[in-house]
Amino acid sequence: GQQLNQSPQSMFIQEGEDVSMNCTSSSIFNTWLWYKQDPGEGPVLLIALYKAGELTSNGRLTAQFGITRKDSFLNISASIPSDVGIYFCAGQLEGDSGGGADGLTFGKGTHLIIQP
Amino acid sequence: SQTIHQWPATLVQPVGSPLSLECTVEGTSNPNLYWYRQAAGRGLQLLFYSVGIGQISSEVPQNLSASRPQDRQFILSSKKLLLSDSGFYLCAWSTAPGPSNTGELFFGEGSRLTVL
Repeated sequence: GQQLNQSPQSMFIQEGEDVSMNCTSSSIFNTWLWYKQDPGEGPVLLIALYKAGELTSNGRLTAQFGITRKDSFLNISASIPSDVGIYFCAGQLEGDSGGGADGLTFGKGTHLIIQP
Repeated sequence: SQTIHQWPATLVQPVGSPLSLECTVEGTSNPNLYWYRQAAGRGLQLLFYSVGIGQISSEVPQNLSASRPQDRQFILSSKKLLLSDSGFYLCAWSTAPGPSNTGELFFGEGSRLTVL
């Protein structure tokens, strides 16, 4: 299947620092989604992006749909301890508009660890 | 509003024993349903998806099977568990393909399976 390259794989940061992670691909996507997974729970949708160039915020989180439609980034400002978890990017490939039945393509996740 | 629930949350089973994980969705009709496996807290591997009752597609060859006996019920099963079946299993749903499909996946709480 298609690959999403998500980086970094892990981040060790101090509380209060800003965080940036991204996903890239050689394929074009119609939709970019960012999820957060707390330990022992299912991923929860944070931000959904539907148009190239779209910049969307959700509290301290900001995500952008790349102009080329092949990448997306997620920024977290002023990190706090509850931001700890695994962040996944996911995309719906071009040609799957209307909903590909086999779902989304996921990145391998960015594990965020915050040191107090 | 739509909800998804899966159970049991935690399961410890001996090698060779059977498995049944159940997932139900409320508040929507004719959803696409998915089973994912997550090993070691990283990466989501799609195991099965279903676009309707009795319709199951398998993404990877494995020791597991899935069934959809009702529109909003999805079951993951095994006749004889292997050690390698241990992991965190996630059920998810999305709207059926069509104009209203946004590509978003909504996950259940997850089921932690340990095979000893």
